[in-house]
Amino acid sequence: DAGVTQSPTHLIKTRGQHVTLRCSPISGHKSVSWYQQVLGQGPQFIFQYYEKEERGRGNFPDRFSARQFPNYSSELNVNALLLGDSALYLCASSLEGASTDTQYFGPGTRLTVL
Amino acid sequence: LAKTTQPISMDSYEGQEVNITCSHNNIATNDYITWYQQFPSQGPRFIIQGYKTKVTNEVASLFIPADRKSSTLSLPRVSLSDTAVYYCLVGALYKYIFGTGTRLKVLA
Repeated sequence: DAGVTQSPTHLIKTRGQHVTLRCSPISGHKSVSWYQQVLGQGPQFIFQYYEKEERGRGNFPDRFSARQFPNYSSELNVNALLLGDSALYLCASSLEGASTDTQYFGPGTRLTVL
Repeated sequence: LAKTTQPISMDSYEGQEVNITCSHNNIATNDYITWYQQFPSQGPRFIIQGYKTKVTNEVASLFIPADRKSSTLSLPRVSLSDTAVYYCLVGALYKYIFGTGTRLKVLA
């Protein structure tokens, strides 16, 4: 079975622009979570979605938004990019997003904001 | 939400057992403890998860005392390929909090 896939692999944007990152979960997984990982730090939780509904949100500004589609894939959108948004954005999928479910991470999208 | 504290770095030699301890004093009743391994520019990889006492799988053991305020990841007989960052996290209600991680360097 394929693992979690993310696209694009790398992305370069300039300040003020908008970006959309995409994630396809493992087949059969209904929950997707997004994390931001700044260089040298641990991943920070942004969102979790389950069955197209937002279940949790981390401490991120409203410039960050996400959605989940009927096929359980997900998009993370970031508006009005700042230099500080440069990071590795990770997507993780799990069966139902329960605390006992293992989260499987994708390879990430490296976003550079100039 | 529970925060975790881990040693920033550790060095070990090939073939040795490595124990990494994580402190999570504010762990909630329904929080599970999960450990991940991460190589540079890759997503974290699940190692082991537990709630209390001891859990063992084919790659590691996890020891959790009765008060659950800490946990210890044990890696038996490490190899050079185990050089990575190891994260201890606690979470429930779908929100995982990653700590700073422990950079393990395995030396030949």
